[in-house]
Amino acid sequence: GAVVSQHPSWVICKSGTSVKIECRSLDFQATTMFWYRQFPKQSLMLMATSNEGSKATYEQGVEKDKFLINHASLTLSTLTVTSAHPEDSSFYICSARSGEWRQPQHFGDGTRLSIL
Amino acid sequence: RKEVEQDPGPFNVPEGATVAFNCTYSNSASQSFFWYRQDCRKEPKLLMSVYSSGNEDGRFTAQLNRASQYISLLIRDSKLSDSATYLCSTSGGSNYKLTFGKGTLLTVNP
Repeated sequence: GAVVSQHPSWVICKSGTSVKIECRSLDFQATTMFWYRQFPKQSLMLMATSNEGSKATYEQGVEKDKFLINHASLTLSTLTVTSAHPEDSSFYICSARSGEWRQPQHFGDGTRLSIL
Repeated sequence: RKEVEQDPGPFNVPEGATVAFNCTYSNSASQSFFWYRQDCRKEPKLLMSVYSSGNEDGRFTAQLNRASQYISLLIRDSKLSDSATYLCSTSGGSNYKLTFGKGTLLTVNP
């Protein structure tokens, strides 16, 4: 089955640090990748949609200058949380989908970010 | 109104019970439908896609009613390992992004 790898799994950083999270599709080409955030006991909230070779599309209320997304290849997308603060602490999850829009998304195993 | 709404739960059932999850969606342009399960502090994992004709995978049966904009998931003979949060999701619109419900927590008790 489709495998999506996310790294790192856990990050604990001081306030003001920038944190980079990688999302890789290991056995398929992901033309589209998605970044989500999930707070405790809340649903997954889409932050942005990333298409290979183009700028990401951000959801309303998500600051594009704070959450930098790069999708340089068909197997790798990165999310950088710039100057992270405690309120950015959350569970960040990526997902990837092949070119066929009817196909389900497959999720990475998530990154738990804690900002002190 | 939220785009995808699910039973708030939580559900607590004994092993062997049959449990049903309900989900409604508001975007009539939705074209793909899925059920995911999410274990505590883990990522969602695809359980099954949902087709208009209904589909079954072992103990799991999914139904879709487009006219009512309603999706369901039935779990028969529930196992302890079925304990998780079940997320309903739809996909449609210009970029076919997934929209998730808040999830329903299921606990299967011995």
